[in-house]
Amino acid sequence: DAGVTQSPTHLIKTRGQQVTLRCSPKSGHDTVSWYQQALGQGPQFIFQYYEEEERQRGNFPDRFSGHQFPNYSSELNVNALLLGDSALYLCASSASSYEQYFGPGTRLTVT
Amino acid sequence: AQKITQTQPGMFVQEKEAVTLDCTYDTSDQSYGLFWYKQPSSGEMIFLIYQGSYDEQNATEGRYSLNFQKARKSANLVISASQLGDSAMYFCARGGRGSYIPTFGRGTSLIVHP
Repeated sequence: DAGVTQSPTHLIKTRGQQVTLRCSPKSGHDTVSWYQQALGQGPQFIFQYYEEEERQRGNFPDRFSGHQFPNYSSELNVNALLLGDSALYLCASSASSYEQYFGPGTRLTVT
Repeated sequence: AQKITQTQPGMFVQEKEAVTLDCTYDTSDQSYGLFWYKQPSSGEMIFLIYQGSYDEQNATEGRYSLNFQKARKSANLVISASQLGDSAMYFCARGGRGSYIPTFGRGTSLIVHP
């Protein structure tokens, strides 16, 4: 049984560019959450998707947007990248329970 | 914003000994959950243990136990019989009312010495 997968593993972008990160949830999970983890910090909640709708959102600007597909996979899009967007982006999936399963993350570097 | 505090940036423990990682939280909710996650250098967050605010007994999962003191708003993680593979970052997190979106602390780095 595959766990949560994320792609790509690493990404380098330039300020002002746009990026799309992808996440496939664990089999049987219908809810996907995205987190940003800056170096030396705990993860910060970006938003959560359920039934293809954004259900909850953290304190992130509109430059951060997402999507969930009918197969429950999800994308995180970030527009107009800033240097401060450099971080590890974690995706987590769950199925109506408190236990979230995290993927290995995508390391984004903005230069 | 309701805060999670982990005051120990780094901890060292001898293999096979027990170690306690501290976590305090603030909340105005009556119902909430507390979580601990392990993050090895690979980056993946691994769920370890959960404690509900109304649970009367402290949660245990194998070598992990949670020392929950509700009045003190603390939820310390105890790892018994430490192993070299326990070396990692450990994060305490709190979920809010009606949702399980955790708010994370800044983490404690645990190093287990042989």
